Amino acid sequence: NAGVMQNPRHLVRRRGQEARLRCSPMKGHSHVYWYRQLPEEGLKFMVYLQKENIIDESGMPKERFSAEFPKEGPSILRIQQVVRGDSAAYFCASSPRDREEAFFGQGTRLTVV
Amino acid sequence: QKEVEQNSGPLSVPEGAIASLNCTYSDRGSQSFFWYRQYSGKSPELIMFIYSNGDKEDGRFTAQLNKASQYVSLLIRDSQPSDSATYLCAFSNSGYALNFGKGTSLLVTP
Repeated sequence: NAGVMQNPRHLVRRRGQEARLRCSPMKGHSHVYWYRQLPEEGLKFMVYLQKENIIDESGMPKERFSAEFPKEGPSILRIQQVVRGDSAAYFCASSPRDREEAFFGQGTRLTVV
Repeated sequence: QKEVEQNSGPLSVPEGAIASLNCTYSDRGSQSFFWYRQYSGKSPELIMFIYSNGDKEDGRFTAQLNKASQYVSLLIRDSQPSDSATYLCAFSNSGYALNFGKGTSLLVTP
């Protein structure tokens, strides 16, 4: 049973470009969460999604960031017009339902140059 | 503001000793508490979760929760060099969103 799969593992973007991060949850998991880990900072919750629904996006910046979890395919975290401050590790986690412990993917390390 | 406080360390213990990691939280509405281990450059790995006051044991790990004192700890018995990592404390009051501390760096010396 494969774990949470994220790709790419490393992503380099120039300022102003778009970054698309993908996350495939563990088999049987329908709940997906995105977290961001800035250098020297703790993990910060961004968004919680179920299939075709955003449940809670209270941790997501209001501009440039969006997330989706379509009926088919992986969850996508999209960052438009990236800035250097977006450089961080972005982790996806999944769980079979809420109120359950979540399992994390390997993360995507975004570097904005 | 929901805060989790951890001593950043590094906490250094000799191999075979007990490592004690501590965490305090500010949100009295917190329902669930978690300990994750994170090796450098890797993803967080769930070690333990605890919901009720008291102790919960799993192998060499024991989590202790005291909701009145807003305090949760993790004990690692018979520490091994492979336990050297950053340990992240997290809590949730929503049932899904985890609030993480910055982590405590543990170094187990041979």
